[in-house]
Amino acid sequence: IAGITQAPTSQILAAGRRMTLRCTQDMRHNAMYWYRQDLGLGLRLIHYSNTAGTTGKGEVPDGYSVSRANTDDFPLTLASAVPSQTSVYFCASSDIVTGDTGELFFGEGSRLTVL
Amino acid sequence: GQNIDQPTEMTATEGAIVQINCTYQTSGFNGLFWYQQHAGEAPTFLSYNVLDGLEEKGRFSSFLSRSKGYSYLLLKELQMKDSASYLCAVMDSNYQLIWGAGTKLIIKP
Repeated sequence: IAGITQAPTSQILAAGRRMTLRCTQDMRHNAMYWYRQDLGLGLRLIHYSNTAGTTGKGEVPDGYSVSRANTDDFPLTLASAVPSQTSVYFCASSDIVTGDTGELFFGEGSRLTVL
Repeated sequence: GQNIDQPTEMTATEGAIVQINCTYQTSGFNGLFWYQQHAGEAPTFLSYNVLDGLEEKGRFSSFLSRSKGYSYLLLKELQMKDSASYLCAVMDSNYQLIWGAGTKLIIKP
């Protein structure tokens, strides 16, 4: 089934630990994004990539890093997790070249709890 | 700063009509999106408006007034499965999406 796959779906980890959230898409979309969603707040962009080999910072990039070695994969790394990074993380993709709307397709989310 | 405002929560009755409003103040405008998000699930695309007016898609319609910085999502013939959060998002001049906090819609029998 075409779409975006995120892993893990849920994770509890201790503060100070390193964690990588994985994201893979099979739609050949050129743009990919990482958002966090917290209760009472809108989706906030962490990092994005408009094409393989390039990345950019979003609204809340501190404490996170990304890489885009190829079109399909866009992992998000927390170098040293802190409790304020407890959130639901969504990976998304869009085809900003041929798509008129720039519609985002989202993964199912990764629920992360940092203790 | 950039801002998207929408009501936090609304309640409506099955079979009725509900209108969810969204007002925005952004640096430039390249379109407005509505997404639906069921609890514990990912957002899914509902509609896109870039020109003023009404876009109808089945039971859902979306309206845009760029001069007023205003949009609404209209849901007709409400069904229990429409219980969800509805997210308004505006694409600014840098083609970045600015998201509202979402409106939780509760449908009662």
